[in-house]
Amino acid sequence: DIQMTQSPSSLSASVGDRVTITCRASQGISNYLAWFQQKPGKAPKSLIYAASSLQSGVPSNFSGSGSGTDFTLTISSLQPEDFATYYCQQYNSYPITFGQGTRLEIK
Amino acid sequence: EVQLVESGGGLVQPGGSLRLSCAASGLTFSNYAMSWVRQAPGKGLEWVSTISGSGISTYYADSVKDRFTISRDNSKNMVYLQMNSLRAEDTAVYYCAKGFMVRGVRFDYWGQGTLVTVSS
Repeated sequence: DIQMTQSPSSLSASVGDRVTITCRASQGISNYLAWFQQKPGKAPKSLIYAASSLQSGVPSNFSGSGSGTDFTLTISSLQPEDFATYYCQQYNSYPITFGQGTRLEIK
Repeated sequence: EVQLVESGGGLVQPGGSLRLSCAASGLTFSNYAMSWVRQAPGKGLEWVSTISGSGISTYYADSVKDRFTISRDNSKNMVYLQMNSLRAEDTAVYYCAKGFMVRGVRFDYWGQGTLVTVSS
C-alpha cells in the first residue's frame, strides 16, 4: 500500500498569510494526487486534482504542485473561510490512501 | 447541480448488517465511478470501496473485503453498500463520492454522509 504522510499535522496562521502544506508518498505516484478541504461536520470538498489542476469553482489563491513523491498545497493569502482540515489523496493505485490531515487554525 | 444523498445509517449491534444507499441526481450517473469513504469519529478519511460506471469492476479496502459489497443500479441512479459482520471499528460517517477511474479513482464530489454506529 502507498502511505501518504502530511506535514505539519497542525498549523496556526493569520488571515492574509501564505501557507504551504506538504504531502509525501511512500513511492512514486506520478501526478495522481488530489487535495481536499474539510470543515467540521461537513463533507470533504475537492480542491486540486492531478497534483496541480484546480477544481472548478475553487478560488485561485489555492494552488498545488509536485510530482513523484513530494507534493505541496499552497494557499497564497488565507481567508477566514480557509480555516479547515486539509487532506491529500493518492489515486495512482488501489488501495486508495489519504494523508492523515493537516488542521489549519486561526492564530 | 449534482446531489448525492446517503441514507441507511444507524445503530447496529456487532455482527449485524446494514445497507447504505446513495441517491444521485444532476449527472449522467453511469458515466461515473462511485465510491464509499468513511471517517471514524475524530479521525481521518479512509477509502472503503469503489465501483466502476458500468458496475463490472469493484474494489475494496482489505479492512472490509469479504464483509462489505458495493453495487449500483444505473436505472435508478443509486449506489449501495451492503455491510455484514459489522465490528465496532466500522463505526464512522460513511460518505458517498462520485469520481473518475484514472488508474485508481479520483473523487470530485461528496455527499453529506450517513452515520453508522456499531455498538451493543
